[in-house]
Amino acid sequence: SQELEQSPQSLIVQEGKNLTINCTSSKTLYGLYWYKQKYGEGLIFLMMLQKGGEEKSHEKITAKLDEKKQQSSLHITASQPSHAGIYLCGAGDAGNMLTFGGGTRLMVKP
Amino acid sequence: GAVVSQHPSRVICKSGTSVKIECRSLDFQATTMFWYRQFPKQSLMLMATSNEGSKATYEQGVEKDKFLINHASLTLSTLTVTSAHPEDSSFYICSARRLGQGSPLAQDTQYFGPGTRLTVL
Repeated sequence: SQELEQSPQSLIVQEGKNLTINCTSSKTLYGLYWYKQKYGEGLIFLMMLQKGGEEKSHEKITAKLDEKKQQSSLHITASQPSHAGIYLCGAGDAGNMLTFGGGTRLMVKP
Repeated sequence: GAVVSQHPSRVICKSGTSVKIECRSLDFQATTMFWYRQFPKQSLMLMATSNEGSKATYEQGVEKDKFLINHASLTLSTLTVTSAHPEDSSFYICSARRLGQGSPLAQDTQYFGPGTRLTVL
């Protein structure tokens, strides 16, 4: 089965700083999704990457997909307290079954 | 680890009928469960938050009268797709929130069910 590993597991940054979260897959990626979860709430979809080299942005969040490396990175520019939460990557296999990474807990200090 | 089950795993129904999907947390109590929907080759989308003993909270664009949610106990939430139509065909996934245990600082975890594939003819 496909496994996704996220790093780091947790991150504390000062407001205004940039940060990057990585997601590495054990198998070929057929689609990579990024989600954000605030404490006690459901997952909120951020963006989906399907093609190698694809890069998408949502406000100050940018995600890239490196198909060859079976890896995706999520980059937040000029972090704000509103960016705090848990970021999860998810991937679908050929049968469209979803697997999630372990999550990265982000705290942004004002 | 914690297990969340869904029943049925697969259902095919005729247009106009109603379908009930169950989500159970098997070894922990879940005051909060979430319902998601996933179209083929697309992302998981949050539909609603199910709270035990109170009304569900629906995301924008989700019809509450069409997707009835009942969280009658701490281990069971149900999603009923009423008067189903072919466009309701999708993969429905639930998750259950398990509160952190032990330390007051322990973090809660969300466990996902295996999903229910609904096909409306």
